[in-house]
Amino acid sequence: DAKTTQPNSMESNEEEPVHLPCNHSTISGTDYIHWYRQLPSQGPEYVIHGLTSNVNNRMASLAIAEDRKSSTLILHRATLRDAAVYYCILRTGSARQLTFGSGTQLTVLP
Amino acid sequence: NAGVTQTPKFQVLKTGQSMTLQCAQDMNHNSMYWYRQDPGMGLRLIYYSASEGTTDKGEVPNGYNVSRLNKREFSLRLESAAPSQTSVYFCASSEQDTFWREAFFGQGTRLTVV
Repeated sequence: DAKTTQPNSMESNEEEPVHLPCNHSTISGTDYIHWYRQLPSQGPEYVIHGLTSNVNNRMASLAIAEDRKSSTLILHRATLRDAAVYYCILRTGSARQLTFGSGTQLTVLP
Repeated sequence: NAGVTQTPKFQVLKTGQSMTLQCAQDMNHNSMYWYRQDPGMGLRLIYYSASEGTTDKGEVPNGYNVSRLNKREFSLRLESAAPSQTSVYFCASSEQDTFWREAFFGQGTRLTVV
């Protein structure tokens, strides 16, 4: 399975944009990039996913590098509620599971 | 919207006891999953059920059994609990087993084996 590398932790100020990086240098052409987040004492929550093109939804934006070896999850205006562990996950098109790494702990400062 | 419901939320077991963790989803999803999460770590897949009537092992299946009772329900059984099974257990469901759309997770069951 292709692996992802994320910083262990990041900090952001409330109401500022946050860019969460993810490196996946061994990504293959059929791997989708998924982001989930886990709020304290809760189950993971889907954020966004993409294959090649940048994606936007109501929660975030996903910017995928042209060579697909890295991606960035963008939260446009961080709130205190966005403090969570963010997981960047690669999923092969035919894979029957999501493989979670250790993620990035995002702290949002008031 | 109930989504994915897990019971119980908390449980303390003695070593050697057995128990069943229950999971139900009301989204008519085909696929269901059981994960465990140890402190400071990501989630690891225990078992999954791609569709009603099928189950497959994940990354860490030893010490567990599962039953896909019907399309809605997927239970996880510990036959003889061990302290190493102290963890938070999450059930999840998705429309398809290839996760081409989002997966939904329950709130978790915090299990302590003493």
